[in-house]
Amino acid sequence: GAVVSQHPSRVICKSGTSVKIECRSLDFQATTMFWYRQFPKQSLMLMATSNEGSKATYEQGVEKDKFLINHASLTLSTLTVTSAHPEDSSFYICSATLQGYEQYFGPGTRLTVT
Amino acid sequence: ELKVEQNPLFLSMQEGKNYTIYCNYSTTSDRLYWYRQDPGKSLESLFVLLSNGAVKQEGRLMASLDTKARLSTLHITAAVHDLSATYFCAVDGGGTGNQFYFGTGTSLTVIP
Repeated sequence: GAVVSQHPSRVICKSGTSVKIECRSLDFQATTMFWYRQFPKQSLMLMATSNEGSKATYEQGVEKDKFLINHASLTLSTLTVTSAHPEDSSFYICSATLQGYEQYFGPGTRLTVT
Repeated sequence: ELKVEQNPLFLSMQEGKNYTIYCNYSTTSDRLYWYRQDPGKSLESLFVLLSNGAVKQEGRLMASLDTKARLSTLHITAAVHDLSATYFCAVDGGGTGNQFYFGTGTSLTVIP
């Protein structure tokens, strides 16, 4: 149980375009989902906390107009990177939690902006 | 600002040896998590530590938590090559959303 999927696993886009990443909890309803970003050889940085039906809470320094988060249902959250630039190239990982203390992590999405 | 620091950042050890990775954090938290990450992959949960004095063991890995010292350790016993990976600790920031804040990571290489 407690499986989280992400789609796509890899995406390459051109600078200036937008890309959407989906995060789904497959066998449970997630009260909260989180989005992280990980640059090569670095740690995971929390970007935002997402609750179904409400606006996401962004960490300090994360541009909410650039990283749009929509949490439309208890099993789906999406992250849209708008007007992507090469510096946005990174590994994006989502996680989901079910009223508890543990987070279940997705497999990650590798974004490359050319 | 919440800080989670690990040391060492890089660890190269021979098979069969023992070593400890340390995780220090700056907030009051009773929840500490350890994860393993292989290159190009996401996180694999290793341990969930939920109270002061918690100790958990799985195979050659053992994790402990001292909330008063704000310190967790991950001890490796008789290392084998398959343990080569990057290890992260993460702290529950204590907010209403149970946000996790990750340590700097320890890149472990076990040499045959």
